Amino acid sequence: GAGVSQSPSNKVTEKGKDVELRCDPISGHTALYWYRQRLGQGLEFLIYFQGNSAPDKSGLPSDRFSAERTGESVSTLTIQRTQQEDSAVYLCASSLIWSGPTDTQYFGPGTRLTVL
Amino acid sequence: GQQLNQSPQSMFIQEGEDVSMNCTSSSIFNTWLWYKQDPGEGPVLLIALYKAGELTSNGRLTAQFGITRKDSFLNISASIPSDVGIYFCAGQGQGGSEKLVFGKGTKLTVNP
Repeated sequence: GAGVSQSPSNKVTEKGKDVELRCDPISGHTALYWYRQRLGQGLEFLIYFQGNSAPDKSGLPSDRFSAERTGESVSTLTIQRTQQEDSAVYLCASSLIWSGPTDTQYFGPGTRLTVL
Repeated sequence: GQQLNQSPQSMFIQEGEDVSMNCTSSSIFNTWLWYKQDPGEGPVLLIALYKAGELTSNGRLTAQFGITRKDSFLNISASIPSDVGIYFCAGQGQGGSEKLVFGKGTKLTVNP
């Protein structure tokens, strides 16, 4: 497909377990973004990548959250020792180039994470 | 994290009616965006605004970038049932950052 894909679509885990969420951006898009959406809320920025580097990690809620990106393609968001407040939909977006505030971000369908 | 003030939170209208929603911020943004999100899907961009005072239309949608760069509105004319969903405003470019800052959304219900 031509769009941003994310996996898994749903993840249920027990408190304290680690989870990995995956994002496949649109081919050729150099910028990649992770957002979190709590129930009934707007999206909260977590981190963005320009290529494989992450110039802005300011939105990561705690040191339990980390993300990496390899080969200017796939990115994984890892949450260690999950807590119930981590339950949310995690959305990934990509844009063509990071050249200013005019690059449209295209969103994936999200991963719904439930921490029991 | 910071969020924009978006209103109303929800709207219940009859098919054919016009709709208006808006967003305000205490900070200046370089770009204002309006997205629509359907259940189980990611947000889809509807309209992007790049200049203060800009008025842009996309079919039945019209959006404006406020002169102060701290607000924006979205109008939907002659609503139809498929307009149902959650509409989000987003600001971009605050302090030179690429990240989007979102409102909490307006949930639109259209009764046929």
